[in-house]
Amino acid sequence: EAGVAQSPRYKIIEKRQSVAFWCNPISGHATLYWYQQILGQGPKLLIQFQNNGVVDDSQLPKDRFSAERLKGVDSTLKIQPAKLEDSAVYLCASSSLFSGGPYEQYFGPGTRLTVT
Amino acid sequence: AQTVTQSQPEMSVQEAETVTLSCTYDTSESDYYLFWYKQPPSRQMILVIRQEAYKQQNATENRFSVNFQKAAKSFSLKISDSQLGDAAMYFCAYRSSYSGGGADGLTFGKGTHLIIQP
Repeated sequence: EAGVAQSPRYKIIEKRQSVAFWCNPISGHATLYWYQQILGQGPKLLIQFQNNGVVDDSQLPKDRFSAERLKGVDSTLKIQPAKLEDSAVYLCASSSLFSGGPYEQYFGPGTRLTVT
Repeated sequence: AQTVTQSQPEMSVQEAETVTLSCTYDTSESDYYLFWYKQPPSRQMILVIRQEAYKQQNATENRFSVNFQKAAKSFSLKISDSQLGDAAMYFCAYRSSYSGGGADGLTFGKGTHLIIQP
């Protein structure tokens, strides 16, 4: 079974530029999460999708961050415009009620964003 | 809101020895799930072990076991017979059972960097 795929693995941009990250969850997983992990901290949930609907985006800075999961499969997270404090690793995870342990989330390798 | 605290930024242990990583959490809920995740330098988060709060028995997975103290809101991870491959960041995480509308994102601690000395 293929794992969660993310691209790119690394991205360097200047502040005020825009950037997009892509995530393809494990096949059949209805739930998809985006987390932000700032250096030296644990991941923080940004947004959760159930199929193509948003379940929780309470911690998403909506003035600059947006995310979509149009067909209920892969997802894109966008930052526009980026700030220095957005430098972090962006992790995507997926889960299913029907595979793995109860409520287990499977994580991708992450995208490391550096904003200069 | 729930919080998770890991008070040990870094721990070091000799290979083959036993090490315990600490985690405390704050919640007003009575039912929830607790997890330990491992994050090696490759950044891929890997689930190590999970504990359901309604279960009194501590979870075990091979060399990994937990000491779950619900009243004290403590959830420590014990790694027995430490191996070089255990070196990584370890994160404690909390998931509520009372997820309104299906929201079940994890709340993580800041992590403990585990070093294995050969």
